[in-house]
Amino acid sequence: NAGVTQTPKFQVLKTGQSMTLQCAQDMNHNSMYWYRQDPGMGLRLIYYSASEGTTDKGEVPNGYNVSRLNKREFSLRLESAAPSQTSVYFCASSPAGGWEDTQYFGPGTRLTVL
Amino acid sequence: KQEVTQIPAALSVPEGENLVLNCSFTDSAIYNLQWFRQDPGKGLTSLLLIQSSQREQTSGRLNASLDKSSGRSTLYIAASQPGDSATYLCAVITQGGSEKLVFGKGTKLTVNP
Repeated sequence: NAGVTQTPKFQVLKTGQSMTLQCAQDMNHNSMYWYRQDPGMGLRLIYYSASEGTTDKGEVPNGYNVSRLNKREFSLRLESAAPSQTSVYFCASSPAGGWEDTQYFGPGTRLTVL
Repeated sequence: KQEVTQIPAALSVPEGENLVLNCSFTDSAIYNLQWFRQDPGKGLTSLLLIQSSQREQTSGRLNASLDKSSGRSTLYIAASQPGDSATYLCAVITQGGSEKLVFGKGTKLTVNP
């Protein structure tokens, strides 16, 4: 039981490049989330998916797209990376809607955009 | 808009000391409050979850209390150990259709041997 896994662990991009961050959970959870963590800003929600087939914007969605590929996988795509997207990205999942259950976090992806 | 504040931002204590971390939130209409631990370069680990109807939760040497009316929570750590060194984050989910965790910026705890 691996919990929440994220790939890659580290990534360096040049401005304008695109990439997809992958997230998978093996706990049969319904809800999945993408956060970014920046120094002095704390964690902020980018997008979330309350169930397979649905996605919704969080606090800072601009510049990102997401896909809930199936119940297990929730990917985050940067179409044209900008230096302001340099951050640590965390994926999380919860059994239900998050307000009843705790969220389980992956180890993070450290992204640098030059 | 819900805002979560954690004081102090950093705390350094000698091993064995009992300590309290504070969390305050501006909108008392919450579903629950959670405390997380984050080790350097790692993800978050859930420590305690307090539902809005509860006053406290305990797990081992950790005790979290919730006073919803005053918008405050405390995390009490008994007999601190160097292994408790980490950043502790408080987060709430606010009622009213926005089922999203709002995090504080954390308290960085160092327990010195």
